[in-house]
Amino acid sequence: GQSLEQPSEVTAVEGAIVQINCTYQTSGFYGLSWYQQHDGGAPTFLSYNALDGLEETGRFSSFLSRSDSYGYLLLQELQMKDSASYFCAVRVNNDMRFGAGTRLTVKP
Amino acid sequence: EAGVAQSPRYKIIEKRQSVAFWCNPISGHATLYWYQQILGQGPKLLIQFQNNGVVDDSQLPKDRFSAERLKGVDSTLKIQPAKLEDSAVYLCASSLIGGSYGYTFGSGTRLTVV
Repeated sequence: GQSLEQPSEVTAVEGAIVQINCTYQTSGFYGLSWYQQHDGGAPTFLSYNALDGLEETGRFSSFLSRSDSYGYLLLQELQMKDSASYFCAVRVNNDMRFGAGTRLTVKP
Repeated sequence: EAGVAQSPRYKIIEKRQSVAFWCNPISGHATLYWYQQILGQGPKLLIQFQNNGVVDDSQLPKDRFSAERLKGVDSTLKIQPAKLEDSAVYLCASSLIGGSYGYTFGSGTRLTVV
């Protein structure tokens, strides 16, 4: 089977940097994805790491270490609109399995 | 491009009743997924279609849930009979091919079973 662990809640202030960690145990690992979901909204794809290292997309970066079964999402220059739930997800064979999510609250 | 369309947006039913949800994926997307998201949890895959064939339905409670994608385009997910624990948001997602890492999700159907 597979399991993903991420913190349930994170709080940060506007303009700060926050890191959301994700550790996973799975067989047949192909890559780690990150999704953002605002309350009542649909999950939205943010980033994907298939290989070790850092991927940067604007204010968001994602990191993967396959040897440590670990990844993180880094959000810089936090804005109020970044308040949402963030899910890591592993691609196993042809589908995606999601973690329980981290609820990020950005305070002024 | 138009997104993934789902209907209805909300549904309230009594336990033991039946309910159906509809999804129209992004045009040209061969792969369609149904996920169940219980409040406070991550989405859980119920079933994956590749065109009109089932790729993975290992987590679908087949005694009460069924899904079809007859023409390889839109899809219907049915629950019959519903239980209280089926209260959740049912999300449909699509991707161009199986194994893609960036799914496009619909807004979901929020089901409340009372």
